Amino acid sequence: DGGITQSPKYLFRKEGQNVTLSCEQNLNHDAMYWYRQDPGQGLRLIYYSQIVNDFQKGDIAEGYSVSREKKESFPLTVTSAQKNPTAFYLCASTGQESTDTQYFGPGTRLTVL
Amino acid sequence: GIQVEQSPPDLILQEGANSTLRCNFSDSVNNLQWFHQNPWGQLINLFYIPSGTKQNGRLSATTVATERYSLLYISSSQTTDSGVYFCAVESWSGNTPLVFGKGTRLSVIA
Repeated sequence: DGGITQSPKYLFRKEGQNVTLSCEQNLNHDAMYWYRQDPGQGLRLIYYSQIVNDFQKGDIAEGYSVSREKKESFPLTVTSAQKNPTAFYLCASTGQESTDTQYFGPGTRLTVL
Repeated sequence: GIQVEQSPPDLILQEGANSTLRCNFSDSVNNLQWFHQNPWGQLINLFYIPSGTKQNGRLSATTVATERYSLLYISSSQTTDSGVYFCAVESWSGNTPLVFGKGTRLSVIA
Protein backbone atom coordinates (compact mmCIF):
# COMPACT_ATOMS: atom_id res chain seq x y z
CA ASP A 1 0.00 0.00 0.00
CA GLY A 2 1.14 3.55 -0.66
CA GLY A 3 1.88 5.76 2.26
CA ILE A 4 4.35 7.52 4.49
CA THR A 5 6.47 5.74 7.07
CA GLN A 6 8.32 7.33 9.94
CA SER A 7 10.78 5.64 12.20
CA PRO A 8 11.27 5.14 14.98
CA LYS A 9 7.87 5.60 16.63
CA TYR A 10 9.47 6.52 19.97
CA LEU A 11 12.96 7.89 20.47
CA PHE A 12 14.85 8.72 23.63
CA ARG A 13 18.09 10.65 23.55
CA LYS A 14 20.40 12.33 26.01
CA GLU A 15 20.71 16.06 26.02
CA GLY A 16 23.44 17.28 23.68
CA GLN A 17 23.16 14.41 21.18
CA ASN A 18 22.11 14.83 17.58
CA VAL A 19 19.35 12.53 16.39
CA THR A 20 17.96 11.79 12.92
CA LEU A 21 14.30 11.01 12.26
CA SER A 22 13.43 9.03 9.16
CA CYS A 23 10.61 9.79 6.72
CA GLU A 24 9.96 7.73 3.60
CA GLN A 25 7.07 7.92 1.12
CA ASN A 26 6.10 5.73 -1.84
CA LEU A 27 3.33 8.02 -3.11
CA ASN A 28 5.55 9.56 -5.80
CA HIS A 29 4.96 12.95 -4.20
CA ASP A 30 7.27 15.82 -5.01
CA ALA A 31 6.73 17.90 -1.87
CA MET A 32 7.59 16.78 1.66
CA TYR A 33 7.26 18.55 5.01
CA TRP A 34 8.35 18.29 8.62
CA TYR A 35 6.15 19.60 11.43
CA ARG A 36 6.58 19.81 15.16
CA GLN A 37 3.65 19.43 17.55
CA ASP A 38 3.81 20.22 21.25
CA PRO A 39 1.15 19.03 23.72
CA GLY A 40 -2.16 20.78 23.14
CA GLN A 41 -0.73 22.79 20.28
CA GLY A 42 -1.13 22.96 16.53
CA LEU A 43 1.43 22.03 13.90
CA ARG A 44 4.43 24.24 13.29
CA LEU A 45 6.43 23.92 10.07
CA ILE A 46 10.14 23.12 10.47
CA TYR A 47 11.35 22.53 6.89
CA TYR A 48 9.85 21.66 3.54
CA SER A 49 11.09 20.48 0.19
CA GLN A 50 9.25 20.84 -3.11
CA ILE A 51 11.84 19.05 -5.23
CA VAL A 52 14.86 16.81 -4.83
CA ASN A 53 18.06 18.59 -3.71
CA ASP A 54 16.14 21.69 -2.64
CA PHE A 55 14.50 22.64 0.65
CA GLN A 56 13.33 25.75 2.50
CA LYS A 57 13.14 26.76 6.14
CA GLY A 58 9.78 26.88 7.81
CA ASP A 59 8.74 28.90 10.83
CA ILE A 60 10.92 27.10 13.41
CA ALA A 61 13.99 25.80 11.53
CA GLU A 62 16.60 26.79 14.12
CA GLY A 63 18.31 23.75 15.60
CA TYR A 64 17.16 21.42 12.82
CA SER A 65 18.62 20.29 9.50
CA VAL A 66 17.31 18.26 6.57
CA SER A 67 18.41 16.70 3.30
CA ARG A 68 16.52 15.65 0.19
CA GLU A 69 18.81 13.44 -1.87
CA LYS A 70 16.00 11.16 -3.05
CA LYS A 71 12.39 11.88 -3.92
CA GLU A 72 11.20 9.22 -1.48
CA SER A 73 13.19 10.32 1.56
CA PHE A 74 13.32 13.46 3.71
CA PRO A 75 15.25 12.83 6.96
CA LEU A 76 15.23 15.39 9.77
CA THR A 77 18.17 15.87 12.13
CA VAL A 78 17.50 17.41 15.51
CA THR A 79 20.78 18.95 16.57
CA SER A 80 22.12 19.81 19.99
CA ALA A 81 21.44 23.46 19.14
CA GLN A 82 17.69 22.87 19.44
CA LYS A 83 16.88 24.19 22.92
CA ASN A 84 13.74 22.19 23.60
CA PRO A 85 13.62 19.18 21.27
CA THR A 86 11.13 17.03 23.17
CA ALA A 87 8.03 16.95 20.94
CA PHE A 88 5.96 14.94 18.47
CA TYR A 89 7.38 15.16 14.93
CA LEU A 90 5.19 14.65 11.88
CA CYS A 91 6.26 14.18 8.29
CA ALA A 92 3.88 14.86 5.41
CA SER A 93 3.86 14.84 1.62
CA THR A 94 1.71 16.13 -1.21
CA GLY A 95 1.62 16.01 -4.99
CA GLN A 96 2.25 18.90 -7.37
CA GLU A 97 -1.35 19.69 -8.25
CA SER A 98 -3.00 22.51 -6.32
CA THR A 99 -5.92 20.19 -5.60
CA ASP A 100 -3.73 17.51 -4.02
CA THR A 101 -4.41 16.71 -0.41
CA GLN A 102 -1.67 16.38 2.18
CA TYR A 103 -0.83 12.98 3.66
CA PHE A 104 0.84 12.45 7.02
CA GLY A 105 3.04 9.77 8.49
CA PRO A 106 2.30 8.28 11.93
CA GLY A 107 4.81 10.51 13.70
CA THR A 108 7.87 10.11 15.93
CA ARG A 109 7.70 10.99 19.61
CA LEU A 110 11.12 12.32 20.67
CA THR A 111 12.03 12.63 24.33
CA VAL A 112 15.31 14.19 25.37
CA LEU A 113 16.39 13.20 28.85
CA GLY B 1 1.38 35.72 6.67
CA ILE B 2 -2.12 34.32 6.67
CA GLN B 3 -3.76 33.75 10.04
CA VAL B 4 -6.04 30.83 10.85
CA GLU B 5 -8.35 30.77 13.86
CA GLN B 6 -10.42 27.79 14.90
CA SER B 7 -13.30 27.69 17.32
CA PRO B 8 -14.21 26.40 19.77
CA PRO B 9 -10.86 25.24 21.15
CA ASP B 10 -12.52 22.42 23.07
CA LEU B 11 -15.85 20.66 22.68
CA ILE B 12 -17.47 17.86 24.66
CA LEU B 13 -20.43 16.04 23.15
CA GLN B 14 -22.75 13.26 24.12
CA GLU B 15 -22.74 10.40 21.61
CA GLY B 16 -25.37 11.05 18.94
CA ALA B 17 -25.18 14.84 19.13
CA ASN B 18 -24.35 17.13 16.23
CA SER B 19 -21.61 19.76 16.16
CA THR B 20 -20.21 22.57 14.05
CA LEU B 21 -16.53 23.53 14.02
CA ARG B 22 -15.45 26.84 12.56
CA CYS B 23 -12.29 28.02 10.79
CA ASN B 24 -11.70 31.71 10.05
CA PHE B 25 -8.83 32.86 7.84
CA SER B 26 -7.40 36.29 7.19
CA ASP B 27 -6.71 36.23 3.43
CA SER B 28 -8.02 34.76 0.21
CA VAL B 29 -7.11 31.09 -0.14
CA ASN B 30 -6.60 28.66 -3.01
CA ASN B 31 -6.38 25.63 -0.76
CA LEU B 32 -8.22 24.69 2.43
CA GLN B 33 -8.13 21.29 4.04
CA TRP B 34 -9.67 19.76 7.15
CA PHE B 35 -7.83 17.06 9.07
CA HIS B 36 -8.66 14.78 11.99
CA GLN B 37 -5.92 13.75 14.42
CA ASN B 38 -6.84 10.62 16.37
CA PRO B 39 -5.78 10.07 19.99
CA TRP B 40 -2.67 8.20 18.78
CA GLY B 41 -1.45 11.16 16.77
CA GLN B 42 -2.26 10.09 13.21
CA LEU B 43 -3.63 12.87 10.99
CA ILE B 44 -6.10 11.95 8.29
CA ASN B 45 -7.29 14.31 5.58
CA LEU B 46 -11.06 14.78 5.70
CA PHE B 47 -11.75 17.34 2.99
CA TYR B 48 -10.06 19.45 0.37
CA ILE B 49 -12.50 22.36 0.19
CA PRO B 50 -11.28 25.84 -0.88
CA SER B 51 -14.89 26.71 -1.72
CA GLY B 52 -18.33 25.15 -1.80
CA THR B 53 -19.77 22.20 0.09
CA LYS B 54 -18.79 18.56 0.32
CA GLN B 55 -20.18 15.61 2.23
CA ASN B 56 -18.67 12.32 3.27
CA GLY B 57 -20.95 10.17 5.38
CA ARG B 58 -21.70 11.89 8.68
CA LEU B 59 -19.22 14.66 7.94
CA SER B 60 -19.74 17.65 5.73
CA ALA B 61 -17.87 20.88 5.15
CA THR B 62 -18.71 24.26 3.71
CA THR B 63 -16.28 27.02 2.77
CA VAL B 64 -17.52 30.54 2.06
CA ALA B 65 -14.40 31.93 0.46
CA THR B 66 -15.73 35.46 0.02
CA GLU B 67 -16.37 35.70 3.77
CA ARG B 68 -13.17 33.84 4.71
CA TYR B 69 -14.53 31.00 6.80
CA SER B 70 -15.13 27.28 6.66
CA LEU B 71 -17.39 25.06 8.72
CA LEU B 72 -17.08 21.37 9.50
CA TYR B 73 -20.28 19.60 10.49
CA ILE B 74 -20.31 16.34 12.39
CA SER B 75 -23.69 14.64 12.69
CA SER B 76 -24.68 11.79 15.00
CA SER B 77 -21.28 11.89 16.65
CA GLN B 78 -19.56 8.67 17.76
CA THR B 79 -16.80 8.07 20.26
CA THR B 80 -14.46 7.37 17.36
CA ASP B 81 -14.91 10.98 16.24
CA SER B 82 -12.89 12.09 19.27
CA GLY B 83 -9.58 13.78 18.61
CA VAL B 84 -8.39 17.10 17.28
CA TYR B 85 -9.74 18.69 14.11
CA PHE B 86 -7.40 21.00 12.21
CA CYS B 87 -8.10 23.46 9.46
CA ALA B 88 -5.18 24.34 7.16
CA VAL B 89 -5.02 26.93 4.40
CA GLU B 90 -2.75 28.14 1.62
CA SER B 91 -2.94 31.77 0.64
CA TRP B 92 -3.47 32.89 -2.97
CA SER B 93 -0.46 35.16 -2.57
CA GLY B 94 2.17 32.50 -3.16
CA ASN B 95 3.13 28.87 -3.53
CA THR B 96 3.57 28.33 0.19
CA PRO B 97 2.95 25.39 2.52
CA LEU B 98 -0.31 24.98 4.37
CA VAL B 99 -0.75 27.06 7.52
CA PHE B 100 -2.53 25.19 10.31
CA GLY B 101 -4.89 26.49 12.93
CA LYS B 102 -4.50 25.44 16.56
CA GLY B 103 -7.30 22.91 16.23
CA THR B 104 -10.55 22.02 17.99
CA ARG B 105 -10.27 19.19 20.52
CA LEU B 106 -13.45 17.09 20.41
CA SER B 107 -14.38 14.56 23.07
CA VAL B 108 -17.43 12.38 22.41
CA ILE B 109 -18.66 10.54 25.49
CA ALA B 110 -20.92 7.50 25.52
